[in-house]
Amino acid sequence: DSGVTQTPKHLITATGQRVTLRCSPRSGDLSVYWYQQSLDQGLQFLIQYYNGEERAKGNILERFSAQQFPDLHSELNLSSLELGDSALYFCASSEGDLYQETQYFGPGTRLLVL
Amino acid sequence: ELKVEQNPLFLSMQEGKNYTIYCNYSTTSDRLYWYRQDPGKSLESLFVLLSNGAVKQEGRLMASLDTKARLSTLHITAAVHDLSATYFCAVARFGTGNQFYFGTGTSLTVIP
Repeated sequence: DSGVTQTPKHLITATGQRVTLRCSPRSGDLSVYWYQQSLDQGLQFLIQYYNGEERAKGNILERFSAQQFPDLHSELNLSSLELGDSALYFCASSEGDLYQETQYFGPGTRLLVL
Repeated sequence: ELKVEQNPLFLSMQEGKNYTIYCNYSTTSDRLYWYRQDPGKSLESLFVLLSNGAVKQEGRLMASLDTKARLSTLHITAAVHDLSATYFCAVARFGTGNQFYFGTGTSLTVIP
């Protein structure tokens, strides 16, 4: 158990809908990272937050947004969903900001868009 | 965009044998990472390599980094079945917006 929690574990929704994925980092970790894993795109970095501020942006679509709250949990919002958004979404956390430490991954949220 | 290539993509090896997974990247990077993913599971961080010549070892796995060659290797010594998993390397670049790129992954199967 990494100490990172994600909810929900599974999500089935329809095209055009909007969903919110939630991540709680390990106690004491200030950075949260979001990743997408799909068969055709592989593993992709989406976005990083550090202590409530956006620190880095990867291949995140404009239809997707994220935020980190004062209690350090983070939410990834996916809107106008398309079939191709079906994927496993991981979050990870670390103590610091610049990827110097080990990242601890949550169990993931499996999203299926029908 | 930084490209990260791993080879081989698939590796089947017998228990007790040694093998190396290679990770090449296209431009300079600031950090190199190795991860393990078991089927249907999340990722587990294995190593973070911070500088040229860095070598880290944990059990039967040893990772090294040659920044001049833009190459990292993950060496497996005397493989055991428990090492069967997919291994990913990833590189980070810092600067105007930190970036993080994954390799394609190497699916390792250790045969008894």
